[in-house]
Amino acid sequence: EVQLVESGGDLVQPGGSLRLSCAASGFTVSSSYMSWVRQAPGKGLESVSLVDPGGRTYSADSVKDRFTISRDNSKNTLYLQMNSLRAEDTALYFCMREAYLWGQGTLVTVSS
Amino acid sequence: DVVMTQSPLSLPVTVGQPASISCRSSQSLVSSDGNTYLSWFQQRPGQSPRRLIYKVSNRDSGVPDRFSGSGSGTDFTLKISRVEAEDVGVYYCMHHTHWPWTFGQGTKVEIK
Repeated sequence: EVQLVESGGDLVQPGGSLRLSCAASGFTVSSSYMSWVRQAPGKGLESVSLVDPGGRTYSADSVKDRFTISRDNSKNTLYLQMNSLRAEDTALYFCMREAYLWGQGTLVTVSS
Repeated sequence: DVVMTQSPLSLPVTVGQPASISCRSSQSLVSSDGNTYLSWFQQRPGQSPRRLIYKVSNRDSGVPDRFSGSGSGTDFTLKISRVEAEDVGVYYCMHHTHWPWTFGQGTKVEIK
């Protein structure tokens, strides 16, 4: 079955760090456009980061220099390393394959 | 960044009646390969988004044929020919022609 399962969300203090994981099954992460999309509570959707099949990475201006997208081909898993977290980063974080398949999301709460 | 503007933001509909959502982009979404990477997603309450339409007018597998997409350039439309109770949720357009991929604000469809 083709699916994405996110994990790693937690409550973290402002300025803290967190690493999100997205385990893929049924397809190869390294051959796909893989992205992270977030949704703040009660709000719309925002693209955060993207990695293309060639390994090039892209980030939204709002997270540039703080968040890093990566993948582990041996584990078929996508990651999002989040540093210097701010209250405005509080959201449900989804991973997405090829602008098509979404995971169930993992909740990140930044609060003291 | 491409700004995606949806209207209306709220759409009360009677079961069995048609519904239409507009999505306008601030610049052309035609890619250098000639494709227009405009998708529509449905997000039911408490669920992850689900893609309904890709490349403007192509319906995803399993999507009822009452959903249809149309448009070109900067002007796009999602139509539901006869709304059913299960269609309640928020609908988003999204472009992925180039980074950053951006979403419309969302249109909340509810039953009158």
